[in-house]
Amino acid sequence: DARVTQTPRHKVTEMGQEVTMRCQPILGHNTVFWYRQTMMQGLELLAYFRNRAPLDDSGMPKDRFSAEMPDATLATLKIQPSEPRDSAVYFCASAPLGRGFGDTQYFGPGTRLTVL
Amino acid sequence: DAKTTQPTSMDCAEGRAANLPCNHSTISGNEYVYWYRQIHSQGPQYIIHGLKNNETNEMASLIITEDRKSSTLILPHATLRDTAVYYCIAISGSARQLTFGSGTQLTVLP
Repeated sequence: DARVTQTPRHKVTEMGQEVTMRCQPILGHNTVFWYRQTMMQGLELLAYFRNRAPLDDSGMPKDRFSAEMPDATLATLKIQPSEPRDSAVYFCASAPLGRGFGDTQYFGPGTRLTVL
Repeated sequence: DAKTTQPTSMDCAEGRAANLPCNHSTISGNEYVYWYRQIHSQGPQYIIHGLKNNETNEMASLIITEDRKSSTLILPHATLRDTAVYYCIAISGSARQLTFGSGTQLTVLP
């Protein structure tokens, strides 16, 4: 049963520290999405990639967030420096057909980030 | 993408069928109806999708009305583990965002 995996599952850090979250998409999926979920804002798109190329990262605060896909099996989301308002659950999702948001998305279990 | 309307909450007895309705009266011809769910503290989970025809998979059935203005997700034998928020989304291939609305909180009762 193929699944999206994310590490770490939980992260507690202090303000100003760097945070790196990792995602392994389902093998063969060519589109990867990063979302953030909070009680107040719901699910927000941060960035997405197709065939490892970034297509849209307009949802990310550019001064502190960066997203990359070093290879087809790894996507990373980095926050530097982290702030308390970054506390949220970060989800990675992958999709197989390259149809963007109109494609079936398979979500990982999320990384719960707490910035103190 | 077309707006969807779902009831805020529903209860269902364990072992019975859960029928979750969704209205999408402004859906356009190229928009699919997708259903996802989110169990507490987990990532959203894809359930099923369809365009015009009814669909069935190992998790659920999707019934879309002939005019495509509404649909019903059917969980044939609900279990306690099906307690979750269920989201109905109308989305096309050219969509720029996947937006989860408020969804329906389904509670399966023992």
